[in-house]
Amino acid sequence: ETGVTQSPTHLIKTRGQQVTLRCSSQSGHNTVSWYQQALGQGPQFIFQYYREEENGRGNFPPRFSGLQFPNYSSELNVNALELDDSALYLCASSLLGKNTEAFFGQGTRLTVV
Amino acid sequence: GNSVTQMEGPVTLSEEAFLTINCTYTATGYPSLFWYVQYPGEGLQLLLKATKADDKGSNKGFEATYRKETTSFHLEKGSVQVSDSAVYFCALGGLTGNQFYFGTGTSLTVIP
Repeated sequence: ETGVTQSPTHLIKTRGQQVTLRCSSQSGHNTVSWYQQALGQGPQFIFQYYREEENGRGNFPPRFSGLQFPNYSSELNVNALELDDSALYLCASSLLGKNTEAFFGQGTRLTVV
Repeated sequence: GNSVTQMEGPVTLSEEAFLTINCTYTATGYPSLFWYVQYPGEGLQLLLKATKADDKGSNKGFEATYRKETTSFHLEKGSVQVSDSAVYFCALGGLTGNQFYFGTGTSLTVIP
């Protein structure tokens, strides 16, 4: 039990819609990262938040945006959904530092139709 | 750039067989290396890690040694069990904040 919880677990949206995914970090962790895992692939880094500010971003367009709240929970927002956005979205919490591992939630399975 | 190349699967083994999953990496700087495991329908769980060259990570009978000279971090287990069936991801981190770079994953199925 990692203590990282994500909601919802599954979601179906229509192309062009907007979606918000939520993550509750493990207690004591100050950093949250979001990853996109397409079917049969490894997770791809979307962005990271530290102390409520974006602290790094992967190769994703601006329609992927996020927030981190004072209690270190986080949201991932995706606008103008495309079919290729269908994937498992993983939230990971950690302490900022070189050698610390990340603790992952179970993910949100997003299907865009 | 930073990247991980992982042995492609799927891999099918009989119970008690020896397991090796190859992983090599390219990195600018001195990364930490990780193996994560993903069971069906679940998120990623840390299996083991190594933070510097020649370190050996181990957990639940799995081992991997950080080899800087060959830029490798191969996962091994001497005797696999049916419960080890999962997808295994090699990853590097510790270079830019906590961003992880993952391989594409290797699916392992262990049959009785």
